[in-house]
Amino acid sequence: IAGITQAPTSQILAAGRRMTLRCTQDMRHNAMYWYRQDLGLGLRLIHYSNTAGTTGKGEVPDGYSVSRANTDDFPLTLASAVPSQTSVYFCASGLTSTDTQYFGPGTRLTVL
Amino acid sequence: GQNIDQPTEMTATEGAIVQINCTYQTSGFNGLFWYQQHAGEAPTFLSYNVLDGLEEKGRFSSFLSRSKGYSYLLLKELQMKDSASYLCAVMDSNYQLIWGAGTKLIIKP
Repeated sequence: IAGITQAPTSQILAAGRRMTLRCTQDMRHNAMYWYRQDLGLGLRLIHYSNTAGTTGKGEVPDGYSVSRANTDDFPLTLASAVPSQTSVYFCASGLTSTDTQYFGPGTRLTVL
Repeated sequence: GQNIDQPTEMTATEGAIVQINCTYQTSGFNGLFWYQQHAGEAPTFLSYNVLDGLEEKGRFSSFLSRSKGYSYLLLKELQMKDSASYLCAVMDSNYQLIWGAGTKLIIKP
């Protein structure tokens, strides 16, 4: 692995289903982030983690949960997907919470 | 509230120079970032300014005026591969990035 990887690349999901988006980085970055990107809007922060074992809520956390059991992995879970969660989801990481953020390739999620 | 403004779209000619402006109003300031995002791809880091003035990096330069809440990204000797969206983001007092909606730059031959 080099950098940040996300899986799946894309997914079509029925409303009401549970879905976990995966994010893994091998740069030993302490801080990790989940954003969603919608047409015409800036990136919006969903959840973040400044270090393993801690998480925090961003601008749009409702309907999403995260965990940070170790440094490398930061999964994002949609407990019961709704169509408004159709978006492109980007995971990012930074050495610390005050450093430059580097982005994974993204997951395109469609909820029908 | 917090706000980042940048033009929605700009058009420029190959070989020319273009300046993309960004104005911001945020709760606190801990630096301003510019990212490039090609269609269907992830944002990639271009530049970071925390002090007033110009930072030059090859064909790309970024300027910051904290007193005016203003930044610009200057792209010189434009190439077709520079066609992309350019995202301005400010790190606020909580060290969270506040993002503009991005400027789509179209380069014409």
